[in-house]
Amino acid sequence: LAKTTQPISMDSYEGQEVNITCSHNNIATNDYITWYQQFPSQGPRFIIQGYKTKVTNEVASLFIPADRKSSTLSLPRVSLSDTAVYYCLVGAAAGTASKLTFGTGTRLQVTL
Amino acid sequence: EPEVTQTPSHQVTQMGQEVILRCVPISNHLYFYWYRQILGQKVEFLVSFYNNEISEKSEIFDDQFSVERPDGSNFTLKIRSTKLEDSAMYFCASSDRRGQGANTEAFFGQGTRLTVV
Repeated sequence: LAKTTQPISMDSYEGQEVNITCSHNNIATNDYITWYQQFPSQGPRFIIQGYKTKVTNEVASLFIPADRKSSTLSLPRVSLSDTAVYYCLVGAAAGTASKLTFGTGTRLQVTL
Repeated sequence: EPEVTQTPSHQVTQMGQEVILRCVPISNHLYFYWYRQILGQKVEFLVSFYNNEISEKSEIFDDQFSVERPDGSNFTLKIRSTKLEDSAMYFCASSDRRGQGANTEAFFGQGTRLTVV
């Protein structure tokens, strides 16, 4: 599985756009990039998944450059309830939990 | 929205005792998983289960652990003789496909907090 590196923590004010970048230099050709969110004392929750270029859903956008060695999760206009840990995962088992390898994630703190 | 349900939410047990953690996966899902998260640490994969047998397991999932799908709805994790270091949040997850394409996601339950004393 490709190793991922993301910032340990980020701070933001409510209403701002937050971009969390993950580097995955050793991503394989058949790997997908998946982001999960985890609130304290809860299970991880799928946010978004992509393979290349840009993916957008009702929650977030995912930007993947052509070389796929990094990806950026973009959260538009965050609110206090977006305070959570965000995990970037890379693997061939696209989106399934089989051997999903969670790193330490990025702890996002949103304040007023 | 369908969800994965886990019971109990919190279990306290004495070292050496057996515990069974219960999960009800989403009804039309075929793949089931257990993860654990020790306080302040990463979420770690334990085991995956499909077609009534273990598909994959990690080195954490040793002989003291077992999984079972006793009926059409429940999925259980048994820890035979608990140790202090088994104290963690245990998450059950399920999915309906196994990487057959994009946008397959795993749905996690709220977890069972196991405290071994």
